[in-house]
Amino acid sequence: DQQVKQNSPSLSVQEGRISILNCDYTNSMFDYFLWYKKYPAEGPTFLISISSIKDKNEDGRFTVFLNKSAKHLSLHIVPSQPGDSAVYFCAASPGEKLTFGTGTRLTIIP
Amino acid sequence: EADIYQTPRYLVIGTGKKITLECSQTMGHDKMYWYQQDPGMELHLIHYSYGVNSTEKGDLSSESTVSRIRTEHFPLTLESARPSHTSQYLCASSESYAAVSGANVLTFGAGSRLTVL
Repeated sequence: DQQVKQNSPSLSVQEGRISILNCDYTNSMFDYFLWYKKYPAEGPTFLISISSIKDKNEDGRFTVFLNKSAKHLSLHIVPSQPGDSAVYFCAASPGEKLTFGTGTRLTIIP
Repeated sequence: EADIYQTPRYLVIGTGKKITLECSQTMGHDKMYWYQQDPGMELHLIHYSYGVNSTEKGDLSSESTVSRIRTEHFPLTLESARPSHTSQYLCASSESYAAVSGANVLTFGAGSRLTVL
C-alpha cells in the first residue's frame, strides 16, 4: 500500500513561470514532510521540509504548502529556472524512517 | 564536495557472484540507511542502522545483508547476485533524530547502479 503518492509522473513549465508539484498521503501519523530533488546519476538532495503543525514553509524560491484535512502537500517553485529540471520526490516520516513517493519529473522549458 | 561516498558507481556482474557495495560518510552521523530504487518507482528502505553494531531490516524485503562495525562505514553485501537484484542502491545518513528538532533530513550518496546479467 503506497502511503505517499505523486500522481503526476511528469510536468513541463515555461522558464520564469510557477512550477507546482503535488503529493498526497494516507498516513495521519506522518509528522514531517520533505521534498528532495534528484538529478540523473546523482543521489537525492534535500530541498525543504514542513512540520505537520504548520501549513506553509518558505525558503527562497521554494514554498511548501500542507493541507492536513485533505492529506495533500504541494511544492511551489517561483520563478522556475532551467536548473530546476530534475525529478522531485515527496517524502514523509512518522519519526526517523522516510517513506518516498514515486517522483515527478519537472522539465523547465527555456 | 560529497560527504557520503558510494563505490562502485556502476557495476555489471554475472549471476551467482558475490558483491559488496561500499558506503562511507564523514559527517559523524549515527544513523545510516540503504534504499533501493527502480526507474520511475519510489525509494524503498531495505536496511538501516542507528549506530555501531545496530542493523535492522527495512520495509522492503531484501536478500542483501549489511554490517556496521564503524560509525562511518555501512557496506551492503549480496552473497549470490541474481538478475532480480538489478537496481539502483542509495546510501544515506542522518543526525540523531533526538538531537535536533525538526525533520529527519537524510543526506544521500550518489548511488550504486547494479546490473546482474
